[in-house]
Amino acid sequence: DTGVSQNPRHKITKRGQNVTFRCDPISEHNRLYWYRQTLGQGPEFLTYFQNEAQLEKSRLLSDRFSAERPKGSFSTLEIQRTEQGDSAMYLCASSLTAPHEQYFGPGTRLTVT
Amino acid sequence: ELKVEQNPLFLSMQEGKNYTIYCNYSTTSDRLYWYRQDPGKSLESLFVLLSNGAVKQEGRLMASLDTKARLSTLHITAAVHDLSATYFCAVCRIQTNAGKSTFGDGTTLTVKP
Repeated sequence: DTGVSQNPRHKITKRGQNVTFRCDPISEHNRLYWYRQTLGQGPEFLTYFQNEAQLEKSRLLSDRFSAERPKGSFSTLEIQRTEQGDSAMYLCASSLTAPHEQYFGPGTRLTVT
Repeated sequence: ELKVEQNPLFLSMQEGKNYTIYCNYSTTSDRLYWYRQDPGKSLESLFVLLSNGAVKQEGRLMASLDTKARLSTLHITAAVHDLSATYFCAVCRIQTNAGKSTFGDGTTLTVKP
């Protein structure tokens, strides 16, 4: 399978715990994006990487959130001290610099109890 | 700030009928995407529209773009049950937004026999 993969697919955690998600993009894609989608809404941009450099972060990304892409390949998104409001689907997408079309992974559904 | 509005948000159709979903966006953009999302699943790319007057068709779905009106439409012809899903439009500004997408809130389509 050469598509975008995400792990885990589902995560249930208790409030206050830390969680980490992983995204493996399409191998030749140099851009990687993280989005968050809550029920009944469209995905909202969180952050993106060009190779290993994190170039933009949304105001939605509080300081409890951190993302890395250490070697310009896979990326991790960590949420510290989770809150119930963090419950959402976290989507990863990757693209080439051009033509920009983003390919989405299956998502990680986070439930904070 | 780029905003994307879709209407209607919910649409219930009879099989065999035609209908149109509308997507308005607030500022000039470089490309417009349409995605399909089934419950609990990720986003499936349907169309990418790049220029004014662009029209693309796939099966019973046809998408068009009017950049002057900042409007895209997704037309459904002779709906069938398999088209039941949530449809999102997303707009992208390559130069200023580095390819990240701003999504509408989606149109949930239910096709009834």
